[in-house]
Amino acid sequence: AQSVSQHNHHVILSEAASLELGCNYSYGGTVNLFWYVQYPGQHLQLLLKYFSGDPLVKGIKGFEAEFIKSKFSFNLRKPSVQWSDTAEYFCAVNAGWDGGYNKLIFGAGTRLAVHP
Amino acid sequence: SQTIHQWPATLVQPVGSPLSLECTVEGTSNPNLYWYRQAAGRGLQLLFYSVGIGQISSEVPQNLSASRPQDRQFILSSKKLLLSDSGFYLCAWSVLAGRGNEQFFGPGTRLTVL
Repeated sequence: AQSVSQHNHHVILSEAASLELGCNYSYGGTVNLFWYVQYPGQHLQLLLKYFSGDPLVKGIKGFEAEFIKSKFSFNLRKPSVQWSDTAEYFCAVNAGWDGGYNKLIFGAGTRLAVHP
Repeated sequence: SQTIHQWPATLVQPVGSPLSLECTVEGTSNPNLYWYRQAAGRGLQLLFYSVGIGQISSEVPQNLSASRPQDRQFILSSKKLLLSDSGFYLCAWSVLAGRGNEQFFGPGTRLTVL
């Protein structure tokens, strides 16, 4: 069965520190990859996604992620975090195309706390 | 633009009572619809998805059921709640076309079973 692993459950950083959140998946076929973010009290929303092409994907709010197929990884990065980046981050993998629907397999999430 | 609504926002129910959570989508037609449960430290677990009216697929065996009586309405139900049904329930939709379409999530319902 497909699975998604997020290595860090809790991350605490100071403002201006660099961020990298790990995400690995187990699926040998073609994948679509997503990072979602849930800010306190807000809806889960899409941060960025990878379907094909350039493996370095840029998203909203200065986030980027790199798809490394050989490592089955899709790590999220930001060079300098802000207090407003405090949120929970979820990596998700599309399990594949099948008859008109798509299923997302989510990782357990990483809670990021940024201190001023 | 498309919007997704869920209600109620919070719910406290006794064990053994029935449940009905509602999700509606506006601004799109024939969407895929999904119910997830979010548990702390465990991410989101897909419970049900639907590709059309009356078409429901269950991902995990459980005490819950889902129905889609209208194109843009998705309902999560239970006849008798268990303590283990407590959690945060999210509804989502996606476009019914293409591989890997992103899903758009509602605000969620916090259910506490006592």
